[in-house]
Amino acid sequence: DAKTTQPPSMDCAEGRAANLPCNHSTISGNEYVYWYRQIHSQGPQYIIHGLKNNETNEMASLIITEDRKSSTLILPHATLRDTAVYYCIVSGLEYGNKLVFGAGTILRVKS
Amino acid sequence: NAGVTQTPKFQVLKTGQSMTLQCAQDMNHEYMSWYRQDPGMGLRLIHYSVGAGITDQGEVPNGYNVSRSTTEDFPLRLLSAAPSQTSVYFCASSYLTDSNYGYTFGSGTRLTVV
Repeated sequence: DAKTTQPPSMDCAEGRAANLPCNHSTISGNEYVYWYRQIHSQGPQYIIHGLKNNETNEMASLIITEDRKSSTLILPHATLRDTAVYYCIVSGLEYGNKLVFGAGTILRVKS
Repeated sequence: NAGVTQTPKFQVLKTGQSMTLQCAQDMNHEYMSWYRQDPGMGLRLIHYSVGAGITDQGEVPNGYNVSRSTTEDFPLRLLSAAPSQTSVYFCASSYLTDSNYGYTFGSGTRLTVV
């Protein structure tokens, strides 16, 4: 599995955009980039995923660099409820569809 | 739809006891998996299954057994509980497709082994 590197923690002001970076320099051609978050002690929640193009949904945007070695998750207008641990994961079908979680980034949204 | 249902939500076991953590999904997902999360840590994969009758080991399989007799159910068995197995256990499921529309996680089972 390709490994990811994320900063251990970040702060963001409420109402501002939160930009969470992720490095995945060993990603292979058929691996997707996934983002999940875990609020307090709940089960992780799927946010977004992408292969090579930028993606947007109702929760967030995902920007993947052209060489696919890094990506950024953008929460456009962070709220206090976005305070969570955010996990960046790379995975593809060759690994049996399994996701391997790292330590993630603790995002603290402050008023 | 109920999504992914885990039972029980809380459990206390004595060392050496065995038990089964239940996981059921009603989304017809082919893929199911079990994770454990220790305090302050990320999730670690225990076992996973890509369909009925097919299971495989994850990162930390020792001390756990699984089976997948139906698409809906994926129970996790602790053979002889140890204090090191005190953790929060999450079950997850997803479609097994190229574009993986994301896992759905259960709310977790909080297990304490004394």
